[in-house]
Formats: sequence, C-alpha cells, structure tokens
Amino acid sequence: KNQVEQSPQSLIILEGKNCTLQCNYTVSPFSNLRWYKQDTGRGPVSLTIMTFSENTKSNGRYTATLDADTKQSSLHITASQLSDSASYICVVSPTTDSWGKLQFGAGTQVVVTP
Amino acid sequence: DVKVTQSSRYLVKRTGEKVFLECVQDMDHENMFWYRQDPGLGLRLIYFSYDVKMKEKGDIPEGYSVSREKKERFSLILESASTNQTSMYLCASTGTTWADTQYFGPGTRLTVL
Repeated sequence: KNQVEQSPQSLIILEGKNCTLQCNYTVSPFSNLRWYKQDTGRGPVSLTIMTFSENTKSNGRYTATLDADTKQSSLHITASQLSDSASYICVVSPTTDSWGKLQFGAGTQVVVTP
Repeated sequence: DVKVTQSSRYLVKRTGEKVFLECVQDMDHENMFWYRQDPGLGLRLIYFSYDVKMKEKGDIPEGYSVSREKKERFSLILESASTNQTSMYLCASTGTTWADTQYFGPGTRLTVL
C-alpha cells in the first residue's frame, strides 16, 4: 500500500484562480516532505522541502503547508497560470540518511485552462 | 545550473535484448538514482548509488542491474528486456545532505515489443 496518498487525482482550474492539492502520508518516522512539479515529458523539479518543525514554505506562487501531527500536507497555487499545468508530486522521507527510502505519491494532474 | 542528462529520450527494443540507459550529471554529486514511473503509480526506486562502485537495491531491482565506474555516470542495464519493463525511466542526482535538492533528468521512455 502506498504510504503517500494524494488528492485529487486530477483537477481543472481556470487561469487566475487558486487551487489546493492534498497529500496524506503514513510514513513513520518522518524527516521531511517535498513537493515536486513535473511538466509533461520532463523530469520532476523540486518546489519546496519542509521538515517536521516547519509548517509552511513558499516558492513564488506556490505555498506548501505541513501538519506533522495529522500527517497532512497541502500545496496551494495562487493566481494560476497556464504554465502551472503539470503533475504535482508529494514525496516523504522517513529519516535524514535515507535517500533510498523516499516515498513518492502518484501525483495530482493539474490543468489550467484559459 | 545542474544538468542531469540521459542518453535517449525514446527507445524501442525487442523482448530479450540487453538495454543500456546512461545518465550523466555535472555537479559532482555523490548520490545518483534510477526510478521508473508508470501511470497511476508514484516513482519507484530501482537502484541508487552513493559513491563510485557502490550501489543499493531499491524497491524493484529485479530484472535490472547498474554500473557506476565514474562519479558522474550511472548506467541502468536491462539484462533481458521484457514487455513489463516498458516504462518511463528517470535518473536523478543529489548531494550528500538530506536538505539537498534532487535533480532529475528528462527521462527515457522505453518501449519493449
């Protein structure tokens, strides 16, 4: 069973609108959580990384939040642009020395329409 | 800018062929990874390497092997390609600390007929 669940699987939003993507995880112990953006036909690109002691991290119009108590994270996209159309992947790491143990969610496919 | 390059964007092979996928990074990173990505599934780790000639199995190593003779180059080998190995293969690299950014290559879409 995947230890990182993302919702929704996909969504369509109008250009200029905001949206929020969800990530729930059961990975334990927990070290850090990352959000990646993957454009179609390309490799993922890192957006944010948060440790258990951080509850928010921003990167331009992208804001990630983390609640380590409830094991939930969200990625908020503000004033969406056509270039935000991509898959957004949540990645959880159990410990600080575990590059080989990263747990990847299946991603949320976002389509921004004019 | 970190660059992770993969030898092919698209590859078509026959069942039973030996397949080599090459990955090169230019940032002197210690860690390199091979993942496969299939629709509806998260990235799954095949192998990763934390130093030259050092490797560790990931979640799905069966049917694959790897080679890291130089720090900048990490090769994935499909000993005898099968149709269930049709997938997108992604290479990545990163430094040694947990807070380092993981950089990915553009991917190789492999089709095994």
